[in-house]
Amino acid sequence: GAGVSQSPSNKVTEKGKDVELRCDPISGHTALYWYRQRLGQGLEFLIYFQGNSAPDKSGLPSDRFSAERTGESVSTLTIQRTQQEDSAVYLCASSLDAGGNQPQHFGDGTRLSIL
Amino acid sequence: AQSVSQHNHHVILSEAASLELGCNYSYGGTVNLFWYVQYPGQHLQLLLKYFSGDPLVKGIKGFEAEFIKSKFSFNLRKPSVQWSDTAEYFCAVMLSYNTDKLIFGTGTRLQVFP
Repeated sequence: GAGVSQSPSNKVTEKGKDVELRCDPISGHTALYWYRQRLGQGLEFLIYFQGNSAPDKSGLPSDRFSAERTGESVSTLTIQRTQQEDSAVYLCASSLDAGGNQPQHFGDGTRLSIL
Repeated sequence: AQSVSQHNHHVILSEAASLELGCNYSYGGTVNLFWYVQYPGQHLQLLLKYFSGDPLVKGIKGFEAEFIKSKFSFNLRKPSVQWSDTAEYFCAVMLSYNTDKLIFGTGTRLQVFP
């Protein structure tokens, strides 16, 4: 069956530009997560959506980062005025629900390179 | 801040060798523990998880991990590795008071040579 789909798979952009990353979760999954993996580092939590509840934005590194999710479908992660330190692989994951009893299924990620 | 440590950053083994990858976390309360694997060119996949019960958990592809609460550890083991086990392995922890997110270690790159 279809897994978590992310697009684009690669994005190269100039410093200062805005970028938008997309995540299509597995159908029926109410929980959606965004993570960032910078070179040589572990995954860093960014934001979490659960159904129609207010998202947990506690991991967003600055106000240049924002994310939206419409209902239980697609999510977009937007980075405004990109900086070189934003270069990373951005991973999206979804699970049937939150609470830790359901495994998170990961997409292939978007590799973002800021020149 | 809570953290997860994977002390082996890069491990190189020959086929049939035994494997143990270390994972330690810094939190004294109840945790859920996970090992994820990322094969070259693929996305992260769940290898195994521990929530409660038997501290020795078995996962896919012959992997197992043991939760030792007194040592705050959740080491991954496999008695005999194969070339196809070449991948990056991530340990992750979910804290009991915040089940919204996983805290990941930095990963261990495993290379298995035939």
